[in-house]
Amino acid sequence: EVHLVESGGGLVKPGGSLRLSCAASGFTFSSYSMNWVRQAPGKGLEWVASISTSSTYIYYADSVRRRFTISRDNAENSLHLQMNSLRAEDTAVYYCARDKDNSRERGMDVWGQGTTVTVSS
Amino acid sequence: DIQLTQSPSFLSASVGDRVTITCRASQGLSSSLAWYQQKPGKAPKLLIYTASTLQSGVPSRFSGSGSGTEFTLTISSLQPEDFATYYCQHLNRVTFGQGTRLEIK
Repeated sequence: EVHLVESGGGLVKPGGSLRLSCAASGFTFSSYSMNWVRQAPGKGLEWVASISTSSTYIYYADSVRRRFTISRDNAENSLHLQMNSLRAEDTAVYYCARDKDNSRERGMDVWGQGTTVTVSS
Repeated sequence: DIQLTQSPSFLSASVGDRVTITCRASQGLSSSLAWYQQKPGKAPKLLIYTASTLQSGVPSRFSGSGSGTEFTLTISSLQPEDFATYYCQHLNRVTFGQGTRLEIK
């Protein structure tokens, strides 16, 4: 069965750092582009970052560019999000999600259960 | 940046009703739009992609239509499990609409 499992969330002070991970199983991870999407408490969905299969193409939302870094390890079937200079507005549930058919034009068809990041002093 | 505006933001309906949710884009998207369903405490679920293609395993009572700047998600006969929040998404730029919360009347 296809699975994505996020980890690494927690409570961090403003200005701090956190590294999220997403473990993939049940499919050929290296064949799919991947995404991070977040959802602040009581709010809608916000795309955060995307990475292509070989990490050649990387995209960020303006709200996180230069603070967050997306990466992947195809040998370990894992996706990561390094988050630096965290702000209160980064507080959210963070989901990793797979691009259907390795295409940005077909939506995200597999999602993890999410990991919660809380930025507070 | 392209903005997506969903209407209504909140919808109250009964089991068996036919409901339509609209997503309007600030610029033309061709057919580059998806719809997701999200239940409380759960991850979103892909329902429709490329405006009208039903994702595998999604019941046929869900349908999508539209192109350019106006898109619709229709549920032909609401079932109890359909009460959730629905989001549209511009696929090329990964922008999401603000969501439509569908509740039981």
